[in-house]
Amino acid sequence: EAQVTQNPRYLITVTGKKLTVTCSQNMNHEYMSWYRQDPGLGLRQIYYSMNVEVTDKGDVPEGYKVSRKEKRNFPLILESPSPNQTSLYFCASSPGVYNEQFFGPGTRLTVL
Amino acid sequence: AQTVTQSQPEMSVQEAETVTLSCTYDTSENNYYLFWYKQPPSRQMILVIRQEAYKQQNATENRFSVNFQKAAKSFSLKISDSQLGDTAMYFCALNENFGNEKLTFGTGTRLTIIP
Repeated sequence: EAQVTQNPRYLITVTGKKLTVTCSQNMNHEYMSWYRQDPGLGLRQIYYSMNVEVTDKGDVPEGYKVSRKEKRNFPLILESPSPNQTSLYFCASSPGVYNEQFFGPGTRLTVL
Repeated sequence: AQTVTQSQPEMSVQEAETVTLSCTYDTSENNYYLFWYKQPPSRQMILVIRQEAYKQQNATENRFSVNFQKAAKSFSLKISDSQLGDTAMYFCALNENFGNEKLTFGTGTRLTIIP
C-alpha cells in the first residue's frame, strides 16, 4: 500500500530533551516536506527536500533540523524542544512539481 | 506575501443539502495550483480536489466541485448532497512552485453535517 508513515504518533516530552520524528514513504517520491499545524494558523511548512542530500528551509524552520540521506526517509529533529513547539506535525511527499502531496497520519507533540 | 484566506471558521448544513466553502488567495504568479484538503477527526489530510490555474474549466470530483475565478483570486468548494462523512475541517491550499513544493494553507473551515 502506498503510504507515508510517521513515528511516533504521539509524544510527550520535556523542554530540552532531543527528539526525532521519523518519516518514511514507499512511493519513490522526490519531494518531501514537514509541516506543523496550529489552531487558527493552518499548516505551515518547516523544511522541505527536493532529493537526497538536498534540503532547505520553509516558513518556520527555527528550532528544527532535517536530513535526507535516503530517498524514502526524512526525519525531523528537535535538538532542544521548547513549549512553543507543541503542535501537530505532518510529513508529506510528492512525486514532483504541482503534484498531489501525500500526507502522513500526523504526530502530536507536547513539550512540557 | 502569498496568502490564502478562508473567512468562514465554521459552517453547518443539513444532510443532503449543498454547501459552499469560500477561499481567496493572493499570488503574483500566473501559473499555480490550488487544492482543497479535508481533515476528518482522524486528522488525516485527504486531497479533495485540485485546480490548475491555466485551466478555465472548473474541476469536479463526484459531489465536489469548485468555482475558480482567476481574476478575482477566488476558489470556492461546493459540496452537493452532503453526507455525514463530509464532517471535517477543510483547508484551501496554494502551490506556486517556487521549487520547494510548498503548500500555503488557509486557516481552515470546520464543516459539520447535521443528520
